[in-house]
Amino acid sequence: GNSVTQMEGPVTLSEEAFLTINCTYTATGYPSLFWYVQYPGEGLQLLLKATKADDKGSNKGFEATYRKETTSFHLEKGSVQVSDSAVYFCALRPTGGGNKLTFGTGTQLKVEL
Amino acid sequence: DAGITQSPRYKITETGRQVTLMCHQTWSHSYMFWYRQDLGHGLRLIYYSAAADITDKGEVPDGYVVSRSKTENFPLTLESATRSQTSVYFCASSESIIGGDEQFFGPGTRLTVL
Repeated sequence: GNSVTQMEGPVTLSEEAFLTINCTYTATGYPSLFWYVQYPGEGLQLLLKATKADDKGSNKGFEATYRKETTSFHLEKGSVQVSDSAVYFCALRPTGGGNKLTFGTGTQLKVEL
Repeated sequence: DAGITQSPRYKITETGRQVTLMCHQTWSHSYMFWYRQDLGHGLRLIYYSAAADITDKGEVPDGYVVSRSKTENFPLTLESATRSQTSVYFCASSESIIGGDEQFFGPGTRLTVL
């Protein structure tokens, strides 16, 4: 079956540091890939997405590139801010669509001054 | 208010009680979903609905019941709550389930079963 594996958290960084959160997936074909962000006390919000190989999703300074050869979709940001502190979820939707999004376990990011 | 809302936001109940969590969306999205969020598991799909009067089981449906008599509402009922159902519950909606289409999430309900 489909699965998503994320790096364990929490990840603690100083403001302006470089961020990478690793995400790898198992699925057949070409699934759509997503990063969702959950701020404290809130629901999940879509951060970025990519629907085909080599696509780069980007939003709010975050980027992730769909790498079919390594089945990865790592999230990066060049300079994090305290306001980026949240839990980040990688997710996939199977090739051809479908009702089910498969989520990773989430990675908590804490950014300190 | 436009968007997707859940009520209550917090609920404490006792084992064996029936509890209903409400979800309401204003976009007239066809698809609605219920997830539970537990540490170490991410989000897991409980039930989903493709339209009014059409529902189906997700990954972890046991102990839950849903209905969808109107497009905008999708209540989740725990018929006899158990401690293992202590969790944060999220409702979501989407216009479609194709490719990169986004699911929109509500703010969540934190349920504690004593």
